[in-house]
Amino acid sequence: GDSVTQMEGPVTLSEEAFLTINCTYTATGYPSLFWYVQYPGEGLQLLLKATKADDKGSNKGFEATYRKETTSFHLEKGSVQVSDSAVYFCALSDGQGGSEKLVFGKGTKLTVNP
Amino acid sequence: DTGVSQNPRHKITKRGQNVTFRCDPISEHNRLYWYRQTLGQGPEFLTYFQNEAQLEKSRLLSDRFSAERPKGSFSTLEIQRTEQGDSAMYLCASSSGTYYEQYFGPGTRLTVT
Repeated sequence: GDSVTQMEGPVTLSEEAFLTINCTYTATGYPSLFWYVQYPGEGLQLLLKATKADDKGSNKGFEATYRKETTSFHLEKGSVQVSDSAVYFCALSDGQGGSEKLVFGKGTKLTVNP
Repeated sequence: DTGVSQNPRHKITKRGQNVTFRCDPISEHNRLYWYRQTLGQGPEFLTYFQNEAQLEKSRLLSDRFSAERPKGSFSTLEIQRTEQGDSAMYLCASSSGTYYEQYFGPGTRLTVT
């Protein structure tokens, strides 16, 4: 079945450092790919998405490119802020058989120190 | 637009009791999803409604679990004869169409003692 593998956390960075969180996936079809973020005490929020190969999703300075050849969707940000401290989830939806479910990775906790 | 709401936010129950959770989606959203999240894991899909029709159920949804969305608006998730392994955060999400963003509620944290 479909699956998502994220790099293990936690990740601790200093403010203004470069962030990469790796995400790879296994899917039977051509999935849409998502990054969700969960800030402390809040619900999951969509951060960015990409629906086809070579698409780049971007939001709030974060970017991720849909790489079909490497089945990857790595999250990057050039300069993190303390306010980026959160748990980040990579997810896919492949739509096979009309399914609309999201399949999530385990999440990566990011802490940014001032 | 007040977002997706879930009640209660926390529920503590004894093993063997029945519990029911409620989810109110964003008003114009016709799709509603339930997920379960345990500590250190990502959310796992349980079931999905389009309007009042339950269109997909996960194998995780044992016969002790039942979900309804009787008028295509709010939804309830009932767990009968709760077990300690049911302790988790139960998340509800809604969307307005296929491949549209799923908006998540704050979740109901269930603790079975």
